[in-house]
Amino acid sequence: DAGVTQSPTHLIKTRGQQVTLRCSPKSGHDTVSWYQQALGQGPQFIFQYYEEEERQRGNFPDRFSGHQFPNYSSELNVNALLLGDSALYLCASSFLTSGGARSYEQYFGPGTRLTVT
Amino acid sequence: AQRVTQPEKLLSVFKGAPVELKCNYSYSGSPELFWYVQYSRQRLQLLLRHISRESIKGFTADLNKGETSFHLKKPFAQEEDSAMYYCALIEAGANNLFFGTGTRLTVIP
Repeated sequence: DAGVTQSPTHLIKTRGQQVTLRCSPKSGHDTVSWYQQALGQGPQFIFQYYEEEERQRGNFPDRFSGHQFPNYSSELNVNALLLGDSALYLCASSFLTSGGARSYEQYFGPGTRLTVT
Repeated sequence: AQRVTQPEKLLSVFKGAPVELKCNYSYSGSPELFWYVQYSRQRLQLLLRHISRESIKGFTADLNKGETSFHLKKPFAQEEDSAMYYCALIEAGANNLFFGTGTRLTVIP
């Protein structure tokens, strides 16, 4: 199991453009969360997807949107890119236990480094 | 509002010395507290969780609700402990992590 995978590794975009980042969760996991990590900061929660629906959302504008596919993989889309969107974008996966509780451990991917010029 | 505060961005200790990485949180309910670690060229991974009360790689962390702290401690630091450490919190009923800004620990040989 390769664990959580993300693509691409690096990306350079121009202000105003749109970008799509992709994530495949760890095998057996059904929930995907996205985090933004600016330089020198801790990761900040963007949103979480479960059963192909956005379940929780952090304090991010509507320019940030996502999608989850039937195979549990996920995409993060950012429209109208700003210079301030330059960051490392992390995907994390977890799963629902047989008792209905959410597993506490989130497994992180290596991240996608987005640079907006 | 900043839910998790890690006051030290950088911390250096000598090998064999005790180490304490500080974490304070701001949350009125009953949070779940975690320490995540990122070693050089590796991805972010869970180190320990307060509810499990276990020791991982010699590290322990006790939740002090009176002081709203969750400091990470190890009695004898090793070179392989050099890494970036993040304290994180999950609010009751939620599943998303709130991270602190992290502390970079360097263990000097």
